[in-house]
Formats: sequence, structure tokens, C-alpha cells
Amino acid sequence: DVVMTQSPLSLPVTLGQPASISCRSSQSLVYSDGDTYLYWFQQKPGQSPRRLIYKVSNGESGVPDRFSGSGSGTDFTLKISRVEAEDLGIYYCMQGTHWPPTFGQGTKLEIK
Amino acid sequence: EVQLMESGGGLVKPGGSLRLSCAASGFTFKFAWMSWVRQAPGKGLEWVGRIKRKTDGGTTDYAAPVEGRFTISRDDSKNTLYLQMNSLKTEDTAVYYCTSGYGSAWGQGALVTVSS
Repeated sequence: DVVMTQSPLSLPVTLGQPASISCRSSQSLVYSDGDTYLYWFQQKPGQSPRRLIYKVSNGESGVPDRFSGSGSGTDFTLKISRVEAEDLGIYYCMQGTHWPPTFGQGTKLEIK
Repeated sequence: EVQLMESGGGLVKPGGSLRLSCAASGFTFKFAWMSWVRQAPGKGLEWVGRIKRKTDGGTTDYAAPVEGRFTISRDDSKNTLYLQMNSLKTEDTAVYYCTSGYGSAWGQGALVTVSS
């Protein structure tokens, strides 16, 4: 299975400051159709996951534009331009290029 | 509005069986690839398996830990997804989520506890 490695696993942040989460895959996530099936999810305490970003950099409808995704091949990043209190929770990257889809370990975004 | 609602969770003994259902609304269910994802208490997310839409063959794929024990099926006439879980093990204890596509929408989850 493709191993997804996130860093850091814990990210203390100051409200209003930027935050960045890295995700690396053990294999290239470029599919034979040329697309890269890398996703980002947010999970708040006691809630189901919510998809924020699909195919590396496309924001889901309703997701604030302070969230952005970037990267290629095996290295990807989720950035929050200015962290707000509602952003606290656990963030997961996930690859859908190779079966089975696999998630990173999760990065817990918390208040410094 | 897309809605997914799981039901059927509960407590079951090791070696037992349980069937989860997921009622879908707000989108054309028969056109969707559907999946099950689970999350053990305090742990991360793990893909369980998926079922393609019938026009893509309606076939299923499973993750190795559940292959041969779990079966995913769908009833497009009822807009419902199923997960039949047999030979349950304590390590199958988790919240089970149904999800459309690659996680574009999620249900609220159903807790399955396998314990003697």
C-alpha cells in the first residue's frame, strides 16, 4: 500500500497566523490519466471528516479561500493563510491514485 | 443537499456478524461510486472498500484486513448502500462511515463494537 506521511503531527498555531502541513507519499500519485488524486480532509472533534481540497489544489464548494493545496508527484502541502478558531481539528491527506486509498496519520491543529 | 445516513451499528461478539446500511439522498445515487471508511477509537481513517456504479460494472474492491469477511452491496432502487460484516474481530471496532466518491460527502458514522 502507498504510505502517506504527514508532518508535523501536532501543529500549535496562533490565531491569525499562517499554518502549513506537509504530506509525502511513498510513490508518485500521478495516475495514468495525468491527474493526481491527492485530497485533504478536516475532522473537527466529534464530527465526520469533511473534504477541503480535491486533486491537489481544487477547493470544495463552501471551503474558505484561506485554505489552499499545492504540490506534485510525491510532495504536497496544505496551507491556511490565517488560522481561525473554527479551523482547529485534525487534518488528513489521502491518496486515491493507487488501490487501496490511504490516509496520512493526521495533523492536529491546536491553539498555541 | 447531499445526505448520507448510516444505521445498524451496535455491539457484537467476536466471530459474529452485523450489517450496516447507508441511506443516500440529494444526489443521483445510481451514478455514484460508494465507499466505506472506518475509524477506530482515537485513531486515523482507514478505507474499507468500495462499490462502483452499475454502468462501470458494479464491482467491489476491499482493503486487505477485511477481504473475504466484509461484503459491500447496493440497492439503487432504494438509494441504499450496505456493508455486511462477518467473522468480526475485536480490531474491527470502529466508527464506520459511508462516503460518496473519494470522500466528497460523509455520513455521521455508525459505531461497531466487537467485544465479548
